[in-house]
Amino acid sequence: NAGVTQTPKFRILKIGQSMTLQCTQDMNHNYMYWYRQDPGMGLKLIYYSVGAGITDKGEVPNGYNVSRSTTEDFPLRLELAAPSQTSVYFCASSYSPGSISYGYTFGSGTRLTVV
Amino acid sequence: GQQLNQSPQSMFIQEGEDVSMNCTSSSIFNTWLWYKQDPGEGPVLLIALYKAGELTSNGRLTAQFGITRKDSFLNISASIPSDVGIYFCAGMNYGGSQGNLIFGKGTKLSVKP
Repeated sequence: NAGVTQTPKFRILKIGQSMTLQCTQDMNHNYMYWYRQDPGMGLKLIYYSVGAGITDKGEVPNGYNVSRSTTEDFPLRLELAAPSQTSVYFCASSYSPGSISYGYTFGSGTRLTVV
Repeated sequence: GQQLNQSPQSMFIQEGEDVSMNCTSSSIFNTWLWYKQDPGEGPVLLIALYKAGELTSNGRLTAQFGITRKDSFLNISASIPSDVGIYFCAGMNYGGSQGNLIFGKGTKLSVKP
């Protein structure tokens, strides 16, 4: 199993450009998440989804959008990139809370720089 | 909202020493998880705790779910160079956070050979 796969691994964007960070999982997890990690700040939740067709905002959703048309895929969209969005982005997935073996599986991250 | 305090922020230890780090919460959690992040990689789950008082080991790692359900600790015995990385605690209250984990800010571990 591949687990959680994120693409691209690295990207440099100019201010105002847009891009989509891809995330796919093959574990049949119904929950998926997007986090950003800034140095020394831990992980902050951007958006999450409890199943196909359902998404909800996390702690820092401004400037981002998501969609969940299938169980496997959870892309994150940046419409107008800003320097404040320079960060490392992690996608994660999990079974439902309370399930045996509950715990997030993370992808290896996308390092985004906005200049 | 719920917050996690993780300490220490960073540690510099000699190879072979034992390591201890902990997390405290302002509210009760049903689940505590400990993750390790290597440079350039995503966090990887080390230990999961689902019951107050539970003590669980994974090789040289031992973690405990505090009796009050507001804290957890992680111990690493006889540290080795590959233990270097950032360790995150994470907790969740099913009813309070809609199933989302709350993460601590991490403990950065450096090991001197």
